[in-house]
Amino acid sequence: GAGVSQTPSNKVTEKGKYVELRCDPISGHTALYWYRQSLGQGPEFLIYFQGTGAADDSGLPNDRFFAVRPEGSVSTLKIQRTERGDSAVYLCASSLMIGMTGHNEQFFGPGTRLTVL
Amino acid sequence: DAKTTQPTSMDCAEGRAANLPCNHSTISGNEYVYWYRQIHSQGPQYIIHGLKNNETNEMASLIITEDRKSSTLILPHATLRDTAVYYCIVSPIYGTASKLTFGTGTRLQVTL
Repeated sequence: GAGVSQTPSNKVTEKGKYVELRCDPISGHTALYWYRQSLGQGPEFLIYFQGTGAADDSGLPNDRFFAVRPEGSVSTLKIQRTERGDSAVYLCASSLMIGMTGHNEQFFGPGTRLTVL
Repeated sequence: DAKTTQPTSMDCAEGRAANLPCNHSTISGNEYVYWYRQIHSQGPQYIIHGLKNNETNEMASLIITEDRKSSTLILPHATLRDTAVYYCIVSPIYGTASKLTFGTGTRLQVTL
């Protein structure tokens, strides 16, 4: 079966430009997460969706970052006025939430490598 | 979420058991211990999780100390394909789906 897919796999942009990164979660997964990974570091949480709504956006670094999931499936991470410090691998994950307790395995996509020149 | 401490790197000979330690001394009774790994240029992959009992699956075994302040991930017969960064993560049991708080992990190098 299809896993989590992310497009594009690589994105090179210039400082100040706007970019959109797309995530297609596993079909039926209600929870979707965005993480960012800088070189040599572990992934850092950005935002989490349950269905269409952002349940936790505490990891977004500033108001240049925004994410949507309008139909509860595909999500887009949007970055305005990109800066060189935004260069990183952006990872998406999805999970199947069952109830309010218990194991929550997250399935990760391959990531989008963003380079801001 | 409780913080975890792992060695920066470890080596293991192919075919031997790889034992990766993790300290999580501030873990609460409402938190699982999770292990994920990340092979170069891929997204992280779930390995195993546990609450207080030892766990085993087709990939690995997880040994959690009785006081739950530390754990060990065991890859019984390491292969070259197990070369990766291994992350030990503590995550709440209750509530809505929880974010994973990754540290810098342990870089495991499996050699011939």
